Amino acid sequence: GAVVSQHPSWVICKSGTSVKIECRSLDFQATTMFWYRQFPKQSLMLMATSNEGSKATYEQGVEKDKFLINHASLTLSTLTVTSAHPEDSSFYICSASRQPDGEAFFGQGTRLTVV
Amino acid sequence: DAKTTQPTSMDCAEGRAANLPCNHSTISGNEYVYWYRQIHSQGPQYIIHGLKNNETNEMASLIITEDRKSSTLILPHATLRDTAVYYCIVRVGRPGGGNKLTFGTGTQLKVEL
Repeated sequence: GAVVSQHPSWVICKSGTSVKIECRSLDFQATTMFWYRQFPKQSLMLMATSNEGSKATYEQGVEKDKFLINHASLTLSTLTVTSAHPEDSSFYICSASRQPDGEAFFGQGTRLTVV
Repeated sequence: DAKTTQPTSMDCAEGRAANLPCNHSTISGNEYVYWYRQIHSQGPQYIIHGLKNNETNEMASLIITEDRKSSTLILPHATLRDTAVYYCIVRVGRPGGGNKLTFGTGTQLKVEL
């Protein structure tokens, strides 16, 4: 199946700093990618839709100025957590699909810990 | 997208079939049933999807009732590596809609020796 890769797999950062997470589709082009967040013992929650060449669409309650999304190419979307705080510690996961109605392929996730 | 209801947890003996039910009584005619699973601390993995016919692939079988109000995911010979949270998701298949998925709480399947 198609491969979606996230980097880094885990990161620890100090409170107040920014962290960038990359999501790459390795063997296909994706005009749309999705970013999810998952807190311990909870389900995945969609944060935003990343659109190549245009602004991301954020879900209600997600601060767009805090979670910056850039989708500069058909194979790369980045999520930057700005001025991170301990409550931003979570598992961040991206997904992409070959076609709009095809199955979604997920990255392996990035574990962010803010200390 | 229609809401789904799944049992919180299930146990299964290794080598036996695991049957995971999902209720989606408000499903619409153009909504598909998707199944994903998430092994601990990994990203979700696609398993199978269907509209109204039963489907089978190398991972599992999907049985959808005739009225489409419920479905069952069958792992024919469960192994310890199948221990995961299984998510049943119902969504509209529409061009340009992307693959925005709404995850419920899923079923924690534990496969034991």
